[in-house]
Amino acid sequence: KAGVTQTPRYLIKTRGQQVTLSCSPISGHRSVSWYQQTPGQGLQFLFEYFSETQRNKGNFPGRFSGRQFSNSRSEMNVSTLELGDSALYLCASSFRGGESEAFFGQGTRLTVV
Amino acid sequence: GQQLNQSPQSMFIQEGEDVSMNCTSSSIFNTWLWYKQDPGEGPVLLIALYKAGELTSNGRLTAQFGITRKDSFLNISASIPSDVGIYFCAGANAGGTSYGKLTFGQGTILTVHP
Repeated sequence: KAGVTQTPRYLIKTRGQQVTLSCSPISGHRSVSWYQQTPGQGLQFLFEYFSETQRNKGNFPGRFSGRQFSNSRSEMNVSTLELGDSALYLCASSFRGGESEAFFGQGTRLTVV
Repeated sequence: GQQLNQSPQSMFIQEGEDVSMNCTSSSIFNTWLWYKQDPGEGPVLLIALYKAGELTSNGRLTAQFGITRKDSFLNISASIPSDVGIYFCAGANAGGTSYGKLTFGQGTILTVHP
């Protein structure tokens, strides 16, 4: 069965621009969570979507947003990019979120210049 | 944000040696997960633990869910070069502010010398 797919794998953007990242979860999984990974802060939770509804949100500014479609695919958007947004963005797919197993995609490496 | 306390931060071992790492938290978790991450890739799930006191194996890997629900341990036996990578523990709960949220340790960097 296909794993979690994230696109694109790599992105280079300029400060002030916006970016949209995509995540296709494992078939049958309805929960998609997003994480930011940086050397200094480690893996930090951004938000979680389940059946098109945001159920949980981490401590990130409003420039970070997301959505989920009826087929469970999810996108996250970062507006007005800052240099500090450079990171590996990971999405995780699980059957119901919460305490169930979570499987990660390969990530999108975003570089802001 | 909150992170789990994972130790050691790094380990340098010889091929064939056993490895132990652990994670502690000030909060209770109902699920503990262990992941391995290679550079530039996403974390890969190794073991999932759902019950306090549970001991689960996956090949050469064995993990335990602490009885207090505030800690977990991962052991790797007879290490091989492909075990190199960063190992993360993660805790999860259900409901409320915990939906879909994994809280991660800082990671243990494992280097295996042939």
